[in-house]
Amino acid sequence: AQSVAQPEDQVNVAEGNPLTVKCTYSVSGNPYLFWYVQYPNRGLQFLLKYITGDNLVKGSYGFEAEFNKSQTSFHLKKPSALVSDSALYFCAAASGGSYIPTFGRGTSLIVHP
Amino acid sequence: SAVISQKPSRDICQRGTSLTIQCQVDSQVTMMFWYRQQPGQSLTLIATANQGSEATYESGFVIDKFPISRPNLTFSTLTVSNMSPEDSSIYLCSVVREGVNREAFFGQGTRLTVV
Repeated sequence: AQSVAQPEDQVNVAEGNPLTVKCTYSVSGNPYLFWYVQYPNRGLQFLLKYITGDNLVKGSYGFEAEFNKSQTSFHLKKPSALVSDSALYFCAAASGGSYIPTFGRGTSLIVHP
Repeated sequence: SAVISQKPSRDICQRGTSLTIQCQVDSQVTMMFWYRQQPGQSLTLIATANQGSEATYESGFVIDKFPISRPNLTFSTLTVSNMSPEDSSIYLCSVVREGVNREAFFGQGTRLTVV
């Protein structure tokens, strides 16, 4: 069975500082990993994905994520946070044999001016 | 990418009534899904909407409560039947394209409040 853990309900960071939103996963075989962002009263927007290749994946809005196979992690990062980055972030994972991702519980990112 | 139009965007309904949510995709897709996002929680898969056959429901969800239609490869509906306040959630339509690029695309969601 697939599972995704986001250990932090909320991450607080000051504007201009680097941010990290943590995610670990458990899937059988090679994982397909995703990050999504949800702004208030909006659907989920795709940020980035890892399927194969470089462990560091770059995505939208300056976000990047690092795939670490040994630690089964896929943490979301950004070198310099913006207030407008404040939103709910979801990590998701799927196994090679499934098109249906499993979502983590979400992490609320709050960027303070 | 895929453009997904979902409506209504929100509704307030009386308990005991039913609401049908529509999902329209701008291109044909095989895999279409319905999720529920309860307040403060993650996304829970309700069912896979299958074109031309009955939907495949996840554990805890049944057809009588959440009937789904999928008449073609660009459209689906989810009905929330005999609603109670516990059904108050955001309901999301999602599609995934087959192939290497497996990212899911989502409609903007339907925020349902049952009073």
